[in-house]
Amino acid sequence: DSGVTQTPKHLITATGQRVTLRCSPRSGDLSVYWYQQSLDQGLQFLIQYYNGEERAKGNILERFSAQQFPDLHSELNLSSLELGDSALYFCASSVGGRTPNYGYTFGSGTRLTVV
Amino acid sequence: GQNIDQPTEMTATEGAIVQINCTYQTSGFNGLFWYQQHAGEAPTFLSYNVLDGLEEKGRFSSFLSRSKGYSYLLLKELQMKDSASYLCAVPTSGTYKYIFGTGTRLKVLA
Repeated sequence: DSGVTQTPKHLITATGQRVTLRCSPRSGDLSVYWYQQSLDQGLQFLIQYYNGEERAKGNILERFSAQQFPDLHSELNLSSLELGDSALYFCASSVGGRTPNYGYTFGSGTRLTVV
Repeated sequence: GQNIDQPTEMTATEGAIVQINCTYQTSGFNGLFWYQQHAGEAPTFLSYNVLDGLEEKGRFSSFLSRSKGYSYLLLKELQMKDSASYLCAVPTSGTYKYIFGTGTRLKVLA
């Protein structure tokens, strides 16, 4: 157990629907990062939050949004889902706002299947 | 721009040594990471290099040459459990995100 908790582990939904993925960072970590991993692509950075504020953004689609709450958990909202959104979504956390030299701690991921 | 290249697949035999290469292009340099990822699981941190040279950690070593934009991960005494994808990643300068390579899928054969 890495200490980063993601729920749900699996999600199957239809095109056009909206889902919310949840991440609780490791205790003491203030930063949360969201990554998408499709079958034919590597890990793609989506967005980072640090202590409740957006810190960095990647190629996140406008249909996707995220936030970090006062208790530091984060949610990634995916709307108007398309087949191409099927992927593994990972959350990672770190203590500070910069990438630490010991790396991120990743959660076990949410596998999203859009049918 | 920023780019990372790794071989897609490699195969090696149990007990052997394998070297997984990574070349990168990045504006600014804040170190290079290697992660291991078993199929369907989360990536786990293996190593971090910020200075040139070899860092050894048990059966795994990682090498960096900043002037050449090159790194490799060396796995010794291969075990079946080492069958996984190995991801090379660099933090982007001035931001807080990693650029990951697509990973090298290593198959260890008995």
